[in-house]
Amino acid sequence: GIQVEQSPPDLILQEGANSTLRCNFSDSVNNLQWFHQNPWGQLINLFYIPSGTKQNGRLSATTVATERYSLLYISSSQTTDSGVYFCAVGTRGNMRFGAGTRLTVKP
Amino acid sequence: NAGVTQTPKFQVLKTGQSMTLQCAQDMNHEYMSWYRQDPGMGLRLIHYSVGAGITDQGEVPNGYNVSRSTTEDFPLRLLSAAPSQTSVYFCASSPPSRNTIYFGEGSWLTVV
Repeated sequence: GIQVEQSPPDLILQEGANSTLRCNFSDSVNNLQWFHQNPWGQLINLFYIPSGTKQNGRLSATTVATERYSLLYISSSQTTDSGVYFCAVGTRGNMRFGAGTRLTVKP
Repeated sequence: NAGVTQTPKFQVLKTGQSMTLQCAQDMNHEYMSWYRQDPGMGLRLIHYSVGAGITDQGEVPNGYNVSRSTTEDFPLRLLSAAPSQTSVYFCASSPPSRNTIYFGEGSWLTVV
């Protein structure tokens, strides 16, 4: 099956810093999504982005489908951004998740 | 509109016991899925359904059964619990017209 790799596995930032999270996938996909899991375990959909670029406030994402990677940018990070960020690919009912990037933002 | 509701939130089972994790959604979504999340790992798909009466296996289906008799409900049955099934279980749903996936709050299961 398709492989999904995320990097870095862990990231520690000072509040206000910017960061880039990466997701590599092993095969062509028509569905790629980014999720945030907060420290209480809740999973929230951030972006549906099989190709192109999208922005939502301080977060933006870019997927280069031909090169099989996606990037999630977090600007001016806040402590509430802490948690684990997952990339997932596949179909709506059948998604393959990466292992995640654990982000810690310190005040 | 409650979204995706999972019960119970916490459960301790003894090895060999059976139980059912309940999942219900009130958004009329066709797609529903069950995932498990183990420490330090991403979510792995157990079973999924693209509509009432239709289910299929995911990446880690062994030891679990599902059924989808209605659009709203997608229960996950553990047939004979094993310590390896200690995990956090997430139910998810998605409408066919959009790609956003909605997750329940998770069910923490410990098998001793």
